[in-house]
This record gives sequence, C-alpha cells and structure tokens, in this order.
Amino acid sequence: GQNIDQPTEMTATEGAIVQINCTYQTSGFNGLFWYQQHAGEAPTFLSYNVLDGLEEKGRFSSFLSRSKGYSYLLLKELQMKDSASYLCAVNTPLVFGKGTRLSVIA
Amino acid sequence: DSGVTQTPKHLITATGQRVTLRCSPRSGDLSVYWYQQSLDQGLQFLIHYYNGEERAKGNILERFSAQQFPDLHSELNLSSLELGDSALYFCASSALLASGNTIYFGEGSWLTVV
Repeated sequence: GQNIDQPTEMTATEGAIVQINCTYQTSGFNGLFWYQQHAGEAPTFLSYNVLDGLEEKGRFSSFLSRSKGYSYLLLKELQMKDSASYLCAVNTPLVFGKGTRLSVIA
Repeated sequence: DSGVTQTPKHLITATGQRVTLRCSPRSGDLSVYWYQQSLDQGLQFLIHYYNGEERAKGNILERFSAQQFPDLHSELNLSSLELGDSALYFCASSALLASGNTIYFGEGSWLTVV
C-alpha cells in the first residue's frame, strides 16, 4: 500500500518563505510530484523529483530524500495568488496525499 | 488550459440514476486517468487506461466502469448513484506509460446527486 502525509493547513505572510513537507511510504517508488490546486479548479503540475536533491524552478523548489521517504516544497517571495492547496503525489498512476491548504496573508 | 477536455462541467441527478462523464485527452496522449475528489477524501485514483487497455485500478466501486475508445477519448460510467457519489471527477492524461510522466488534468465534472 501507499501512505502520504502532509500538514492539513498552513498560513504564511506575503513576501515570506514557506516550506510544505510531505512524507510517504510506498512499496515501490517511481518519483514524487507536487501539484497546485486552487479551490474548484484542476490541479496543475509544479515539480517532479525522482533522484535525491533539490530541483529549483523560479520561486518554487522541491527537495527529495528517498532514504527518508521525505520531500518538501519551498515557496519563496509568497504572493496572494499562491493561496491554494498543494498536493504531494507519488508513483504512476499518481497517488495523492490529501493536500496542504496554504493561506497567504498580507 | 491543459488541453484535456471534460464534459459535462456540471451535472445534477437523482439517486439511483446513471450518468456518463466524457474525457478527451491532450492531443497525442495515450494514457487517460480518472480521479474522484470529495471534500473529505482528497484526490482518489479510480482507473488508468493506456491506448485502449485498462492498466491499473484504484478505489473504483463496482457500480463505476470506464473505457477508452480507439480515438483515445474515455468515458466514466457511474450507475445506481448514491448521495455519497457527489464529487468532482477529474480526467487526466499523459503521453506515455513510463514512470515520471507528468499528467495533466482537465477542469473536472461536478456531479451532484440529490
């Protein structure tokens, strides 16, 4: 089976940095994805990690440690539009965690 | 716009009824996935088709079935509907079968069972 854990909610201030953690347990591992989802909308792809280390893409970075079953998504220079749910998912077909609802406040 | 098209966008139906949700994948994508998202369960994988063949099943109820047609569009059939089936149903597609392929989601079909 597969189990993915993320914090349910987080709040951060505009312009700040926030780190959203994800831990997973799987019988096999094919890669870890992060998606962003605004309420009532489709999830959109943010990042993919299959090897250990940090992947940077603009204001967003994602880190993976396969030995620890751990990933994080780092969002820098937070903007109000970053208020959304962030979904951690593993393998193919993707199995998603329940998501972390991020609120960015002024 | 992801390129994945789903119809209808909204659907209201009564308990016991049957509905069909339709999905057209991105041009050239051979894989189609169906997901169900309800408030308390998050995004749940239902089923995966690749080039017309079923490849993986997730938490799909026996009352639900799907197929992928030769033109690669897919349909999800939901029958004997119950109130608890009310959810947002997403279709997603990807180019290949290989691991690590990004999947792209459609806008979803909102199903309300009354």
